[in-house]
Amino acid sequence: QSALTQPASVSGSPGQSITISCTGTSSDVGGYNYVSWYQQHPGKAPKLIIYEVTNRPSGVSNRFSGSKSGNTASLTISGLQAEDEADYYCSSYSSSTTLVIFGGGTKLTVL
Amino acid sequence: QVQLQQSGPGLVKPSQTLSLTCAISGDSVSSNSVVWTWIRQSPSRGLEWLGRTYYRSKWYNDYAASVKSRITINPDTSKNQFSLQLNSVTPEDTAVYYCARGGYAMGVWGQGTTVTVSS
Repeated sequence: QSALTQPASVSGSPGQSITISCTGTSSDVGGYNYVSWYQQHPGKAPKLIIYEVTNRPSGVSNRFSGSKSGNTASLTISGLQAEDEADYYCSSYSSSTTLVIFGGGTKLTVL
Repeated sequence: QVQLQQSGPGLVKPSQTLSLTCAISGDSVSSNSVVWTWIRQSPSRGLEWLGRTYYRSKWYNDYAASVKSRITINPDTSKNQFSLQLNSVTPEDTAVYYCARGGYAMGVWGQGTTVTVSS
């Protein structure tokens, strides 16, 4: 049972856009701009692709974008490519003792 | 370029202590602007933040509520690394353990260490 709620899976065709949601509460996602998104390929460590809701680390494609509305954050991937097929996780600062919480992950399938 | 290299045993017996080390290159464990974090990942628990250490004129630690009574994260300035100790492990602690650079957004990760708790 993960603290942030993500859809288990999403899919899209090459060139399309998809959006993954991440729902929390006012004690985490809704209360702070410390939402991050990670991409994880099988057998690899997670890779940071979005931080502080909307920012991309250097070297990350501008096809990845983040946003937030209320207690829900979203990751949008535009111009889907085969290499985007991976698991995606959101995380957020939390005002609880456990300072960082994660979503359960979303498996993206590129059809 | 910051790199993190993890080391430690892949098999730990129940009730014993899990110990892992994360060696840092390209940065300093004593940096006043960086946070060093441990995270684990298992099929049953997903990604789970375990805790962090950082230096701001003195050393600070924060730990997840789920492991707070069993965990210690220590910096080692002489070797430029930090470590994870998890006491009284059970099979529930079986996971891939990662060290990472960053507090709320982890931008650099170690390669991961698969730790199995079994007799």
